Amino acid sequence: AQRVTQPEKLLSVFKGAPVELKCNYSYSGSPELFWYVQYSRQRLQLLLRHISRESIKGFTADLNKGETSFHLKKPFAQEEDSAMYYCALTETSGSRLTFGEGTQLTVNP
Amino acid sequence: NAGVTQTPKFQVLKTGQSMTLQCAQDMNHNSMYWYRQDPGMGLRLIYYSASEGTTDKGEVPNGYNVSRLNKREFSLRLESAAPSQTSVYFCASSEFTQSPYNEQFFGPGTRLTVL
Repeated sequence: AQRVTQPEKLLSVFKGAPVELKCNYSYSGSPELFWYVQYSRQRLQLLLRHISRESIKGFTADLNKGETSFHLKKPFAQEEDSAMYYCALTETSGSRLTFGEGTQLTVNP
Repeated sequence: NAGVTQTPKFQVLKTGQSMTLQCAQDMNHNSMYWYRQDPGMGLRLIYYSASEGTTDKGEVPNGYNVSRLNKREFSLRLESAAPSQTSVYFCASSEFTQSPYNEQFFGPGTRLTVL
């Protein structure tokens, strides 16, 4: 069964500091990985997906198949990055997403 | 476009009562989903509908039923609510049923409390 683990429930950094949100997964096939974000009083929305190799709002994520990880990184955190972040996985040919437990990121001024 | 809409926004039930959560999308998406969000557990899939006329169980289907009324609407029913069903419920939709580019669009959520 596929599983996504986000080991940090809470993460707090200062503005301008680098931030890394960890995501580990277990899946026997070839997964596709996503990061979703939920800002305060907003809907859950897609932040970025591995297959697009994109950088959104300064965030990037690298898929490391050897370590089965898909950590989300940003070199200089901003206060507006404060949100709940979810890592998610789907099968290459599937539509179902499996979400991690989520990490609440707080960026302090 | 409103995207994905859910009603009601809040609901309080007594144990044993029933209710239906409504979800509609105006993006002409094929697939729709129901999740529950609990602290420390992330989002867990309850049921989904890959296309109109089909429904399938997700990770936590017990105690719930769904109906894909048409392409736009996907409802979730609690026949006999239990305190363990206290949660925030999210509906979502996506265009492609099988694609790694599959982006899911979420509704605003329904906060349900079962006493």
